Amino acid sequence: QSALTQPPSASGSPGQSVTISCTGTSSDVGGYKYVSWYQQHPGKAPKLMIYEVSKRPSGVPDRFSGSKSGNTASLTVSGLQAEDAADYYCSSFAGTNNWKVFGGGTQLTVL
Amino acid sequence: QLQLQESGPGLVKPSETLSLTCTVSGGSINSSSYYWGWIRQPPGKGLEWIGSMYYSGSTYYNPSLKSRVTISVDTSKNQFSLKLSSVTAAETAVYYCARGGWLAYFDYWGQGTLVTVSS
Repeated sequence: QSALTQPPSASGSPGQSVTISCTGTSSDVGGYKYVSWYQQHPGKAPKLMIYEVSKRPSGVPDRFSGSKSGNTASLTVSGLQAEDAADYYCSSFAGTNNWKVFGGGTQLTVL
Repeated sequence: QLQLQESGPGLVKPSETLSLTCTVSGGSINSSSYYWGWIRQPPGKGLEWIGSMYYSGSTYYNPSLKSRVTISVDTSKNQFSLKLSSVTAAETAVYYCARGGWLAYFDYWGQGTLVTVSS
């Protein structure tokens, strides 16, 4: 069982927006600004999409945005495109006992 | 362009020690700005953080694996390594090495290497 809870699946039509949630506790997501999101296509390594809750690395389209409220972080993909279909994982710093945890992943389908 | 490449045996017997090396090219592992980590992913399942280290030797381990994990660095070869002892079949997974900003994120990943634990 993963430390962070994500919905197993999400979907949207091209051009629409979809939001994926990531729920933790005050000991991880809620307690720190160190939430990150990764995109993983089948057979490929994960790719960093969002770090420190809402920052985008260079080269990541601004269609991807991140936010946090309380113990829940969210990744929003706007203007869905076919290539956005992938698995998405959230991760958070979890304090000096557990250090770092991942969510179970969400499979995003573009209809 | 920074690149990371995992290497090591693809098959390990149960109860033995899994050993992998990550070779970093296009950048120095001595950088004071970054940490280096290992993450694994069982087939069809999610990601699990194994541990991270700083070039100076400071290490941080997943508490559920801490008693069996060692991550070390060889700055002369620009490499860092993972050793996981007493492995079981449940630890069959793709093992990734990655560069991170402290324990906040991983921005560069290796392609991953599949390690199968089987007799």
